[in-house]
Amino acid sequence: GESVGLHLPTLSVQEGDNSIINCAYSNSASDYFIWYKQESGKGPQFIIDIRSNMDKRQGQRVTVLLNKTVKHLSLQIAATQPGDSAVYFCAENSNTGNQFYFGTGTSLTVIP
Amino acid sequence: NAGVTQTPKFQVLKTGQSMTLQCAQDMNHNSMYWYRQDPGMGLRLIYYSASEGTTDKGEVPNGYNVSRLNKREFSLRLESAAPSQTSVYFCASSRLDPSLLGYTFGSGTRLTVV
Repeated sequence: GESVGLHLPTLSVQEGDNSIINCAYSNSASDYFIWYKQESGKGPQFIIDIRSNMDKRQGQRVTVLLNKTVKHLSLQIAATQPGDSAVYFCAENSNTGNQFYFGTGTSLTVIP
Repeated sequence: NAGVTQTPKFQVLKTGQSMTLQCAQDMNHNSMYWYRQDPGMGLRLIYYSASEGTTDKGEVPNGYNVSRLNKREFSLRLESAAPSQTSVYFCASSRLDPSLLGYTFGSGTRLTVV
């Protein structure tokens, strides 16, 4: 099966600093990736996506970087705010099926 | 607001009891999914329905059954609950091609089997 892992299970940052959350994937055939945010007691929520023909994609305060050579994905959050405290998951999808495979998540805590 | 609605939000069952988790979406999505989330395990797919009238097993289907009642509704049934099924269950939906913004998730059902 797929293997999606995260380098760090927890991350604490000061409010206003930038956050970087990393993810490794094992299936070189994966061609679509999503970052999800899950707040306590809620379901995962779509943040940003990227396709394998791109290296970088920017949203509002978030940037996703994809390095296909080392099969690595990262999520950068600029000027982290207390509302960013949550668990962040990466998920990968390959064009062979309509399933996503999820990592175990990184818990981000923003210190005021 | 449009989205995925799950009921109930919380449930406690005794070992051997049965129950059905309900899920409905109003986004006209073709595909629907049931995941379970356990600490340190991430989200694991139980069953999915790529389109109305079809269902397929995911990674952890044992002990569960599903019904795609219509395009909107996808239910998950536990026939004889076991403590190992204590988990948080999430329903999700997507367009037929999930590489179009991925899934929309419900808010989850927290199930405890004692």
